[in-house]
Amino acid sequence: SYEVTQPPSVSVSPGHTATITCSGDALPKKYVYWYQQKSGQAPVLVIYEDSKRPTGIPERFSGSSSGTMATLTVSGAQVDDEADYYCYSADSSGNYWVFGGGTKLSVL
Amino acid sequence: EVQLVESGGGLVQPGGSLRLSCAASGFTLSNNLMKWVRQAPGKGLEWVANINQDGSEKYYLDSVKGRFTIFRDNTKNSVYLQMNSLRAEDTAVYFCATLAIWGQGTLVTVSS
Repeated sequence: SYEVTQPPSVSVSPGHTATITCSGDALPKKYVYWYQQKSGQAPVLVIYEDSKRPTGIPERFSGSSSGTMATLTVSGAQVDDEADYYCYSADSSGNYWVFGGGTKLSVL
Repeated sequence: EVQLVESGGGLVQPGGSLRLSCAASGFTLSNNLMKWVRQAPGKGLEWVANINQDGSEKYYLDSVKGRFTIFRDNTKNSVYLQMNSLRAEDTAVYFCATLAIWGQGTLVTVSS
């Protein structure tokens, strides 16, 4: 079955830039979506279609994708950005979807 | 207010069945591809199933194929997940979601 891979954890100092990667063989042809999940809460979409930001998501969240890797960037990270981040994408058929294992972002 | 509300979770014995429901309010469900996602205690998100807007296309995680069925009733603005032959490893919070709208989840516990 298809998999997308993320690092388990990323740490950043407040005000600095955090980058979270997501790799998968189908990414050159499939969009990536990024979700933020804080403890005990439902996930929130922060990036869709590789690089688009939903209404209400701060501009410090950005996304990009090149080849088999997608990247979520949090510029000027804030303590409130501490959360688990998941990439989400489809296999080459577009019918079967998968989440990455999640990346715990620590801002300290 | 735009929201999804799941219901139907609970404690069930291995081999048992449950039907989860997901009701939408504040928007029209029929315009959306819907998914069910689960999260085992302390674990990450896991996609379970998708259903397209008119219910004609359904896709499942391999480990639930043949046991779970996703379906929808657009007249009731609702989507459902029928879960049969439940196993301990199906224990999780189950979320229904569009791309950007998620419910708060309903807990399914499979245990004797």
